[in-house]
Amino acid sequence: NAGVTQTPKFQVLKTGQSMTLQCAQDMNHEYMSWYRQDPGMGLRLIHYSVGAGITDQGEVPNGYNVSRSTTEDFPLRLLSAAPSQTSVYFCASSPPISGGTDTQYFGPGTRLTVL
Amino acid sequence: GDSVTQMEGPVTLSEEACLTINCTYTATGYPSLFWYVQYPGEGLQLLLKATKADDKGSNKGFEATYRKETTSFHLEKGSVQVSDSAVYFCALGRTYKYIFGTGTRLKVLA
Repeated sequence: NAGVTQTPKFQVLKTGQSMTLQCAQDMNHEYMSWYRQDPGMGLRLIHYSVGAGITDQGEVPNGYNVSRSTTEDFPLRLLSAAPSQTSVYFCASSPPISGGTDTQYFGPGTRLTVL
Repeated sequence: GDSVTQMEGPVTLSEEACLTINCTYTATGYPSLFWYVQYPGEGLQLLLKATKADDKGSNKGFEATYRKETTSFHLEKGSVQVSDSAVYFCALGRTYKYIFGTGTRLKVLA
């Protein structure tokens, strides 16, 4: 199993540009999520999904869109990049939730710089 | 709302020293509690977890006990190694949502 994969590893954007960060998992996990990691702030949840066709907002959703058309893929879209979105982005997945939470498996991250 | 507070770093120790990284949480009900570790240039990986009060999670010599009465989940290790140098994150999980602490950087010197 490849686990959770993310592309690209690094990206530089100009203010106002759009792009999609890709995330895929091959563990048949129902739950997938996106986080951003900023110095001194830990990880903050952007969006999450509990299955294909179902998404919801996390703590910091503004400026980001997601969709979940398959169990395997959970792309994160930046519609109009801003310097405040400079961060390291992590995708994570976990097995089906049965009334609680479970271990999350993280991808290697995408380092995004917005000029 | 739910929150996690962990001690600020960096923490610098000599090899074979004892480690404690404090973590306290605020939450209603009974969330699951986790410690994740992040090595340079990598994503987070689970170190240990506990799902109910008084549970003790352990892995690779690290331990943490879910203390409901003090709302704490402190990470401990009796003898650290240089290879333990990393950033450690305390986290709580409630249905569909996870809250992470700000991370504590540990540096172990030979």
